[in-house]
Amino acid sequence: DGGITQSPKYLFRKEGQNVTLSCEQNLNHDAMYWYRQDPGQGLRLIYYSQIVNDFQKGDIAEGYSVSREKKESFPLTVTSAQKNPTAFYLCASEIGTGGTEAFFGQGTRLTVV
Amino acid sequence: AQSVTQPDIHITVSEGASLELRCNYSYGATPYLFWYVQSPGQGLQLLLKYFSGDTLVQGIKGFEAEFKRSQSSFNLRKPSVHWSDAAEYFCAVGAHSSNTGKLIFGQGTTLQVKP
Repeated sequence: DGGITQSPKYLFRKEGQNVTLSCEQNLNHDAMYWYRQDPGQGLRLIYYSQIVNDFQKGDIAEGYSVSREKKESFPLTVTSAQKNPTAFYLCASEIGTGGTEAFFGQGTRLTVV
Repeated sequence: AQSVTQPDIHITVSEGASLELRCNYSYGATPYLFWYVQSPGQGLQLLLKYFSGDTLVQGIKGFEAEFKRSQSSFNLRKPSVHWSDAAEYFCAVGAHSSNTGKLIFGQGTTLQVKP
């Protein structure tokens, strides 16, 4: 079945550590996105990529990094520079760019302990 | 700048009652508009979308939405709510600046359904 897979579903990190969240899609979509969700704040865009080996910062990119070495994969690294990383992270993909339809993964809940 | 406002943070309706969730947007051109639903701890599922044409769009699970350009609104409706509709609902607008195609989301409306 085609879809977007995020792993792990739950992730715990100690302060000062980097951690990488996985996002894989087999929909053959060009565009991929990472959103952060906090209660009462909706979804905020962290990074997005329209094509392999290219990505752009979203509204809240500080403390995060990404790579897009393969069309199917768009991992997000939460670095120690991110001051408040505890949140629910959602990955999405879109067949092209132009505001068509985004498909979402099931999310990763990251907790800093 | 593009923005989406969902004025109601939390709504409670009785099962079987009608529902309307409000969404207002700010966008310079004709927008692409979406409604998504999210169950707790899950990803988002698309309910419906408006690109062009008929301003009343039908979606899944019995939902519909109407695009009103004059009011910059895209309200979501359902004639009779079921307990399983309890979830968080997000309105989103497709942003086409710099050809990014990224979605801008409202802050969400949490729907509670009373038995």
